[in-house]
Amino acid sequence: AQSVTQPDIHITVSEGASLELRCNYSYGATPYLFWYVQSPGQGLQLLLKYFSGDTLVQGIKGFEAEFKRSQSSFNLRKPSVHWSDAAEYFCAAPNAGGTSYGKLTFGQGTILTVHP
Amino acid sequence: ETGVTQSPTHLIKTRGQQVTLRCSSQSGHNTVSWYQQALGQGPQFIFQYYREEENGRGNFPPRFSGLQFPNYSSELNVNALELDDSALYLCASSRGREEQYFGPGTRLTVL
Repeated sequence: AQSVTQPDIHITVSEGASLELRCNYSYGATPYLFWYVQSPGQGLQLLLKYFSGDTLVQGIKGFEAEFKRSQSSFNLRKPSVHWSDAAEYFCAAPNAGGTSYGKLTFGQGTILTVHP
Repeated sequence: ETGVTQSPTHLIKTRGQQVTLRCSSQSGHNTVSWYQQALGQGPQFIFQYYREEENGRGNFPPRFSGLQFPNYSSELNVNALELDDSALYLCASSRGREEQYFGPGTRLTVL
């Protein structure tokens, strides 16, 4: 079955440390891939997206993600975490490996806690 | 430019009741998608409306239904509420297949 998996439910990092959040997908073809962030009481905000081409994509707020076809992964990274990055992060892909922003399948989410 | 808005913010219902949630899409957007986010889970796709027609549905029973109006705002209706329907309901609007923007959600509690 097509799916998006985030293996880490909760990650804690110190402010200023680097961050990597894992995402694995299971689709027959390379789907569009997205990372969203959700702060308490807020809707989801798109951080970045991968459609095709360059496998390293840059997003907002200093985030980047690398698509690795061989590992079926699309991990989110940030070189230096700020306290304001504390939130829940979701990896997502269109249902049935489609090619649009909508009808998304989300991973379970990773809660990021940032220690001062 | 006004973003996606949802009403009400919070709602408490009892099992067996019916509920209507509302979503106003962003200006210029003709597509609305609804998602259910249970506590501790990622959002799950319920259905999408494009120009007032249902345009795809997730794995939800028929008691979940929707409407999209000529101004592209939308409603999500849930009949015969069950305890497991307690969740954050998110709507997202977009211009066709372009980037979708999410509202803050409606928190539904079913007692």
